[in-house]
Amino acid sequence: QLQLQESGPGLVKPSETLSLTCTVSGGSISSSSYYWGWIRQPPGKGLEWIGSIYYSGITYYNPSLESRVTLSVDTSKNHFSLRLSSVTAADTAVYYCARSGTGDDAFDIWGQGTKVAVSS
Amino acid sequence: QSVLTQPPSVSGAPGQRVTISCTGSRSNIGAGYDVHWYQQFPGTAPKLLIYGNSNRPSGVPDRFSGSKSGTSASLAITGLQAEDEADYYCQSYDGSLYVFGTGTKVTVL
Repeated sequence: QLQLQESGPGLVKPSETLSLTCTVSGGSISSSSYYWGWIRQPPGKGLEWIGSIYYSGITYYNPSLESRVTLSVDTSKNHFSLRLSSVTAADTAVYYCARSGTGDDAFDIWGQGTKVAVSS
Repeated sequence: QSVLTQPPSVSGAPGQRVTISCTGSRSNIGAGYDVHWYQQFPGTAPKLLIYGNSNRPSGVPDRFSGSKSGTSASLAITGLQAEDEADYYCQSYDGSLYVFGTGTKVTVL
């Protein structure tokens, strides 16, 4: 069955760039039926959608983060990536990658999440 | 930044029925976009519980049900069990933006 796995540094310094990768296994990221997204959850708080990408490279971003976020996809490696620039302590969170259908579909498959702390 | 409002907490005794509301607006739920619900246990990723307002993925017990009306949606848990103690989030779509609810903690008394 399809699985998602996040990877990347667990500690990032303020003002630097957070970089995470989500590797898809058990299926192809190039499916025309799905988008691949990033969602984060600060400690003790709720869920926030960061952005989503299609295998062709089409992206949608949360307007509140758009100026600092870049999503990319590598179909040859079956993974997609998140870059969040100029991070502050407010970006400390568990970052999840997840799959959704098109339009207003749900996020049906999630990675286990990776904790990222922003601290000097 | 949540635009979907949920009660912070609900509680009930085993066997009881509890409901969680999710209040949106004309730009998201009221615009006809589907509402989905997720269950999250501490330290784990959210799990899809209800999709498309009222549909259960395979493996989700039928004591969980969802509904939608106007600018709001609801999740009902009938026959509450101890294992249902968790956080629950609604989610919808707002133009080109996915939005989540504020989250509700369900406590089994």
